[in-house]
Amino acid sequence: LAKTTQPISMDSYEGQEVNITCSHNNIATNDYITWYQQFPSQGPRFIIQGYKTKVTNEVASLFIPADRKSSTLSLPRVSLSDTAVYYCLVGAALSGGYNKLIFGAGTRLAVHP
Amino acid sequence: SAVISQKPSRDICQRGTSLTIQCQVDSQVTMMFWYRQQPGQSLTLIATANQGSEATYESGFVIDKFPISRPNLTFSTLTVSNMSPEDSSIYLCSAVWDQGGGNTIYFGEGSWLTVV
Repeated sequence: LAKTTQPISMDSYEGQEVNITCSHNNIATNDYITWYQQFPSQGPRFIIQGYKTKVTNEVASLFIPADRKSSTLSLPRVSLSDTAVYYCLVGAALSGGYNKLIFGAGTRLAVHP
Repeated sequence: SAVISQKPSRDICQRGTSLTIQCQVDSQVTMMFWYRQQPGQSLTLIATANQGSEATYESGFVIDKFPISRPNLTFSTLTVSNMSPEDSSIYLCSAVWDQGGGNTIYFGEGSWLTVV
């Protein structure tokens, strides 16, 4: 199972762009990269998922280089409500097969006024 | 996105008792997972629950302590047996959805158990 490494914590200010990078050196060919957001006392919320290059949705962008050994979650113009723990995971396989997701420690993002 | 409902959302339990957590999903799914999250910690996978087969437990978790049922493709239960204060955690149910181009896991809101 691919392990992930993320910064333990990050600080930012309202209106800034935040980039959280995750390292996953032993990612498997069939693995997708998925990011979750978790607020205290709530279940993780799916943010974005990708396999390669760039994926963008209404809340974030995910950048994945060609070697797929890392990925960067980009949050544009953060607000105080983006203060949360962000988890990077690899292991969601292509249709027809699946690898269980193992959570790392995550990145605690604190957004300041 | 998928809807996953857990019951109870919160409970205070007496030491030595058992509690069953229910997880209902709004569409049929093949794979479901149960996680535990102790205060201030990340999520730890307890077991994988597939319909029609015995649950597969991770190292450190056993069926006698955490029996799991998966009677159909939309429902699962996790029982925390003979509870002690160390079992005070959030227990999270999750399920895998086939998105066509890849599988995505969604989580319930969790069941927060406090053992006294």
